[in-house]
This record gives sequence, structure tokens and C-alpha cells, in this order.
Amino acid sequence: NAGVTQTPKFRVLKTGQSMTLLCAQDMNHEYMYWYRQDPGMGLRLIHYSVGEGTTAKGEVPDGYNVSRLKKQNFLLGLESAAPSQTSVYFCASSPGQTGSFQAFFGQGTRLTVV
Amino acid sequence: AQSVAQPEDQVNVAEGNPLTVKCTYSVSGNPYLFWYVQYPNRGLQFLLKYITGDNLVKGSYGFEAEFNKSQTSFHLKKPSALVSDSALYFCAVRERYGGATNKLIFGTGTLLAVQP
Repeated sequence: NAGVTQTPKFRVLKTGQSMTLLCAQDMNHEYMYWYRQDPGMGLRLIHYSVGEGTTAKGEVPDGYNVSRLKKQNFLLGLESAAPSQTSVYFCASSPGQTGSFQAFFGQGTRLTVV
Repeated sequence: AQSVAQPEDQVNVAEGNPLTVKCTYSVSGNPYLFWYVQYPNRGLQFLLKYITGDNLVKGSYGFEAEFNKSQTSFHLKKPSALVSDSALYFCAVRERYGGATNKLIFGTGTLLAVQP
């Protein structure tokens, strides 16, 4: 049972480089989320999606873009990485307006921007 | 805007003693409330949830939480702490009404340290 899978698990970027983080879920969930976790800040919502083809901004969206072209995938892009984006990134998915409402999390991506 | 507050950065408790990790929330509509636990270098694991019904919710590993609407709180409790309960605990809220607001918002986390 794969659940929520994040790719890659680790990455080191140079300032100004771009990259895409991939999140894939096999539970047919409607909602997907991207969070970043920083010491003392908890989990902060970057962007989220309530269905295929839709995205919305969360608490800290600046510097990130997302796409949800397929229901099972939610991509997080960094166009020009900055050291302030060094963080651990978590993807999550959950059912929509019905079901358990419980969110399932990936194992995280540790990103370092130098 | 919805928000979650976990007023304690760290809670220390002796093994065998009861533990409480506090959480308060703010939403416009009715809340869905959750507790998650994170062990070092791991993702978040679901513990329990309040959706509707009985205010006392029981979850995994002997944890429970009580929904108090008047105090807008959802404190996590366990009657007898174990050293293995030591971890980072997150409270989360999702607003319950139709439309565009379906964000799942987390608190800043509380580190639980259980001493032998």
C-alpha cells in the first residue's frame, strides 16, 4: 500500500536553480496539500487543491507554484530557489466532502538551498 | 481566518503520569479537528479526529481528546504516559462548510518528553 509518495526524498539546490517536487497518491483522494515544516513554525500550508485542475494559495505561497493536472499527482515547483526555502516539505491528501476527512502524509522531502 | 494555537512548545511528564497537550482553535464555521504525531525524521501519523457527535474522542495508542465548543479547545490526553510517547504532536483544524475553504491548518506543534 503506497499511500502518499514524495519524490525526491533529499535535494540540495544552488540559489537560483529550479526544481519540482512530485507528490503521488493512490487513494483516489480529492484534496491534496503541500506544507513546509520549519523549526518552531510547525507546518505551514503552501498551496492546496480541492480537485483535479484546481489549486489555491495557502499561508505561505510566495516563491512556489503548483499544478494538479491529474487527480493522483500534485506538483510543487520552485522557479528560483532561495536559501529561505530550505525546509522539509510534506505532501498530504485527504478525501473531499465525504469520508473520513483524515489526511495522509508522505515521508517528506528535505530541501537545502545553498 | 481559521487558526490553531498550541500554547506549549514542550510538555514534560514522568512515565506513568497522565499527560495533556493543549490545543485551541478559531474557525468561522464548525470545525473538523485532528491530532497528528511525528516521530524524528518521519512524516505525520494520524492519532484521532473529531467530526461530530460525542465530544470525547478515542484514538490510537490510548490517546483521547475532548472537544469543548464553548472554550474552542481540543486537548489531547492520555491517562498513563509511556517513554515511547515522546514525539512532536500537532493539532489541526479544517473548517466545515461547503465552498472553497477546505484548508487543513496546523498548529506549531508541542514536543512531548516523557521521562523514565
